[in-house]
Amino acid sequence: EAQVTQNPRYLITVTGKKLTVTCSQNMNHEYMSWYRQDPGLGLRQIYYSMNVEVTDKGDVPEGYKVSRKEKRNFPLILESPSPNQTSLYFCASRTSGVGETQYFGPGTRLLVL
Amino acid sequence: AQSVSQHNHHVILSEAASLELGCNYSYGGTVNLFWYVQYPGQHLQLLLKYFSGDPLVKGIKGFEAEFIKSKFSFNLRKPSVQWSDTAEYFCAVNAPLDDLASGTYKYIFGTGTRLKVLA
Repeated sequence: EAQVTQNPRYLITVTGKKLTVTCSQNMNHEYMSWYRQDPGLGLRQIYYSMNVEVTDKGDVPEGYKVSRKEKRNFPLILESPSPNQTSLYFCASRTSGVGETQYFGPGTRLLVL
Repeated sequence: AQSVSQHNHHVILSEAASLELGCNYSYGGTVNLFWYVQYPGQHLQLLLKYFSGDPLVKGIKGFEAEFIKSKFSFNLRKPSVQWSDTAEYFCAVNAPLDDLASGTYKYIFGTGTRLKVLA
């Protein structure tokens, strides 16, 4: 089954404790990205990757890191989480053509205390 | 910079009522347009999309949207909503990353419209 998976689905952590949210897709998509969803703000792109070893900042990259060592995986790293990073995070992937549909993961709900 | 506006943030309807959710975008060139739906506790799923051709696009579950280029709009419609349509709806545009036509395209999402359908 074609899908985007994320782990963990729910996470409670404390300020400053490094964490990683994994994302994996099995559709051989070149393009992957991370979004955060906050009430009233919709989805905002954090980082995106157009292919292996090619990553770039989205609209709200501060406080986040990503890596793309393999085509299928695109982990999101919070080196020192802060309470303002409490949010719902979605990973997405698509082929690199214009106007291609994005496929979203199930989301990771993060609470930073 | 490109942007997408959804003016209705919360909509409450009774079952069988008609629905129209507004979406306007700011980019003047060729765009691709999407509506995604997020049911409670679930991830975003594609409802419908417009690439070219007939500006009236039909999607899943009886939804349709009309692209009006002169108004920079892509409004979502459904003639008769059901309780199961309760969800959040996002309009999105796939447009060039910058006005210099760098060849890089990105998705830009609206802030979403939360629809509640009363049984």
